[in-house]
Amino acid sequence: QVQLVESGGGLVKPGGSLRLSCAGSGFTFRNHYMSWIRQAPGKGLEWLGHISATGIVSYYADSVKGRFTISRDNAKSSLFLQMSSLRTDDTAIYFCARDAGNHRTSQHDYWGRGTLVTVSS
Amino acid sequence: EIVLTQSPATLSLSPGERATLSCRASQSVSNSYLAWYQHKLGQAPRLLIHAASSRATGIPGRFSGSGSGTDFTLTITRLEPEDFAVYYCQYYGPSPRTFGQGTKVEI
Repeated sequence: QVQLVESGGGLVKPGGSLRLSCAGSGFTFRNHYMSWIRQAPGKGLEWLGHISATGIVSYYADSVKGRFTISRDNAKSSLFLQMSSLRTDDTAIYFCARDAGNHRTSQHDYWGRGTLVTVSS
Repeated sequence: EIVLTQSPATLSLSPGERATLSCRASQSVSNSYLAWYQHKLGQAPRLLIHAASSRATGIPGRFSGSGSGTDFTLTITRLEPEDFAVYYCQYYGPSPRTFGQGTKVEI
């Protein structure tokens, strides 16, 4: 069955950096766009960005553009989120999600359970 | 950017009742790029509906989606105890993708 497992969350100081990982299994990872989405405490879901199946193209929400970078390693069925210049309002649970297809416009058909990132001094 | 506004913020119902959730877009959603997700605390969100009205794999028939343009609805015909959760609509067309703020369905 399709599984997505995030890791790498933790406590980081404002201005710091953190790299999240997402391990995919149970499907052909290289055939799908992959996304990152977050949920701040007491808030709703916020789409952060996604990366094409080949990893050549990525798109970002304005709120993280220039600070966050999405990458992937198809040989290892892994997705990454490099976060820099972190702010306290980046505190959230970070989810990775599989996009249903190999194109820019498809829904998220499977999600991980998320990893918690806390930005605090 | 397409802004999605969900209403009501909270829906208080009992098992067996019908739930009707609304999602309104700030501009027309092309090709019905509209999805609905269910989220329970501590769990992975679950896709319910895509393309405004297509049920995702394994989703029970009591969940249905409708609408087009700027107005969309998620209906749960008879609430089961496991349906009490937060529901989000999402625009997933050309970037940026956006979510509504969510509707909490509570007992």
